[in-house]
Amino acid sequence: QQPVQSPQAVILREGEDAVINCSSSKALYSVHWYRQKHGEAPVFLMILLKGGEQMRHEKISASFNEKKQQSSLYLTASQLSYSGTYFCGTGEGGGADGLTFGKGTHLIIQP
Amino acid sequence: DARVTQTPRHKVTEMGQEVTMRCQPILGHNTVFWYRQTMMQGLELLAYFRNRAPLDDSGMPKDRFSAEMPDATLATLKIQPSEPRDSAVYFCASGLVTAGGPDEQFFGPGTRLTVL
Repeated sequence: QQPVQSPQAVILREGEDAVINCSSSKALYSVHWYRQKHGEAPVFLMILLKGGEQMRHEKISASFNEKKQQSSLYLTASQLSYSGTYFCGTGEGGGADGLTFGKGTHLIIQP
Repeated sequence: DARVTQTPRHKVTEMGQEVTMRCQPILGHNTVFWYRQTMMQGLELLAYFRNRAPLDDSGMPKDRFSAEMPDATLATLKIQPSEPRDSAVYFCASGLVTAGGPDEQFFGPGTRLTVL
């Protein structure tokens, strides 16, 4: 069963913050976040593991609430380059399980 | 600059024809995934391999799809016979599994398949 992402779409001004949520009905071992630009392949952002720490990459960070099976991606002081579709992919077991992806969140950053 | 390569990048075929898509994973990666992306269904896992052995192909229509890894540098996905509903972008991804658990999956550029 696919994880549920919210919101489906968001439009921001450059410099504003955004939060994208991912929720699953299954017990999760890992949550992976990817960004995809139109016509391109998904690009890895970060991975959160059960029992792991909150991750951060520059102005993008993410958290994983294992009890609620929820993850959130935080984009701080958004840049034009952040535009794209964000996907969360969930893994249920240790090892490189194939991921179950949400339907994505479309993010548009305007100047 | 290591990257996953896929061929062909685009394929247009007629219903009933056989389609073969190829993927070269990143050298040293031991796990290869096949995903399909459509507007309606999003990104779906079709199958994946570890050390060339198939671990899960439950996402594939068994009667027409087959996936193999003839060697560590080549993964193939075949559709026979193809149907219009198979039209999608097919992504191959590879990753390195260690005792530490799952890690980043590197996606190839995809094969855009159109079945008429």
